Amino acid sequence: EPEVTQTPSHQVTQMGQEVILRCVPISNHLYFYWYRQILGQKVEFLVSFYNNEISEKSEIFDDQFSVERPDGSNFTLKIRSTKLEDSAMYFCASSALATSTDTQYFGPGTRLTVL
Amino acid sequence: DAKTTQPPSMDCAEGRAANLPCNHSTISGNEYVYWYRQIHSQGPQYIIHGLKNNETNEMASLIITEDRKSSTLILPHATLRDTAVYYCIVRVTDSWGKFQFGAGTQVVVTP
Repeated sequence: EPEVTQTPSHQVTQMGQEVILRCVPISNHLYFYWYRQILGQKVEFLVSFYNNEISEKSEIFDDQFSVERPDGSNFTLKIRSTKLEDSAMYFCASSALATSTDTQYFGPGTRLTVL
Repeated sequence: DAKTTQPPSMDCAEGRAANLPCNHSTISGNEYVYWYRQIHSQGPQYIIHGLKNNETNEMASLIITEDRKSSTLILPHATLRDTAVYYCIVRVTDSWGKFQFGAGTQVVVTP
């Protein structure tokens, strides 16, 4: 069964450093998403991406965040200058469509720890 | 803000049916109800979704009331591996597909 994969599973970085989280969505999917979950809190939407453009972003997704689909398979989330409060699980998701009937499939997540 | 209300926690005995309620009294006519679960900080796992008819798949059944203001997810024979946080989400139709997760229901299946 196709699945979303994410690398690395755990990333430790120093405050102020740049990190890139990687995702490989399901191959025939066209819509891509990033969510995050701070420990003990809700899963929060960050950004949706379609046709090489951001479709929607939350207020969390400020100028230090960026997303990119550098090739036909990868989807990345970059945090330019990490802060302590960026420590969280980051989940990538993908769907074939973005309609209300279409299911999003989530990856296993990357645990980001900022020291 | 989340458009659903779920109990914060519930216990279920292994082998018994787990019935998870969800209230969504402000749901609009074209909004779907989705259920996901999250096992111990893993990625959310899709379970089932529906509009107004009852739905069943290999994982669960979804019962939606006729007025669509509430629904129940049924896990027919709960196992220990079903211990997870279960999220009931009303899918907003004009949001480019994002899901808005609430706090969910922590289900603990006991032997």
